[in-house]
Amino acid sequence: DIQMTQSPSTLSASVGDRVTITCRASQSVNTWLAWYQQKPGKAPKLLIYKTSNLENGVPSRFSGSGSGTEFTLTISSLQPDDFATYYCQQYNTYSWTFGQGTKVEIK
Amino acid sequence: EVQLVESGGTLVQPGGSLRLSCAASGFTFSNYEIHWVRQAPGKGLEWVSNISTSGTFIHYADSVKGRFTISRDNVKNSVILQMNSLTAEDTGLYYCATGGHCTSGLCHDVAHFQHWGQGTLVTVSS
Repeated sequence: DIQMTQSPSTLSASVGDRVTITCRASQSVNTWLAWYQQKPGKAPKLLIYKTSNLENGVPSRFSGSGSGTEFTLTISSLQPDDFATYYCQQYNTYSWTFGQGTKVEIK
Repeated sequence: EVQLVESGGTLVQPGGSLRLSCAASGFTFSNYEIHWVRQAPGKGLEWVSNISTSGTFIHYADSVKGRFTISRDNVKNSVILQMNSLTAEDTGLYYCATGGHCTSGLCHDVAHFQHWGQGTLVTVSS
């Protein structure tokens, strides 16, 4: 199975900061990489699919990039609503796996 | 509006069984693959199982293979997860989510989970 590793596990940042989260796959997943945001007590919310495609209704301050084994999620200017946990997720031949999550905290 | 509503979660003893349901509305259910994803308390997300639009193709995570069975009813717009031989490691919030959208034999967006329910809590404990 493909393992997904996110870094950092926790990130402390201030409103207005540019934030980058990295996700590494144990083998190539081409561009089959998605990002989700989860707030406490809520279901995950799809932000980005196929590496860089923004889901409908997601603010443009979110962006994704990468290919193969290394991917990034960038928030260009962190807003109060963005403090949450973020997960990457890969797909490869009928197997879907998530990273362990990155918690974005208020600095 | 797309809605997925999970039910059936409760406290069950180790070795016991449980049947979870996912009721769908607001979209053409028979055109969508459906997944179950779980989250242990305070932990990350783990994909559990998925089922194709017709129910013909089914996949499971290794951690549940042989113990869990997924099925769907395209008349009742629902998906069932039958869980047997439960252990403490199966404790968590179980979400159903939409996967690939399939029409005329072609499926799109199979790689991610677009819509999620709010989850149903399964606790395995004596």
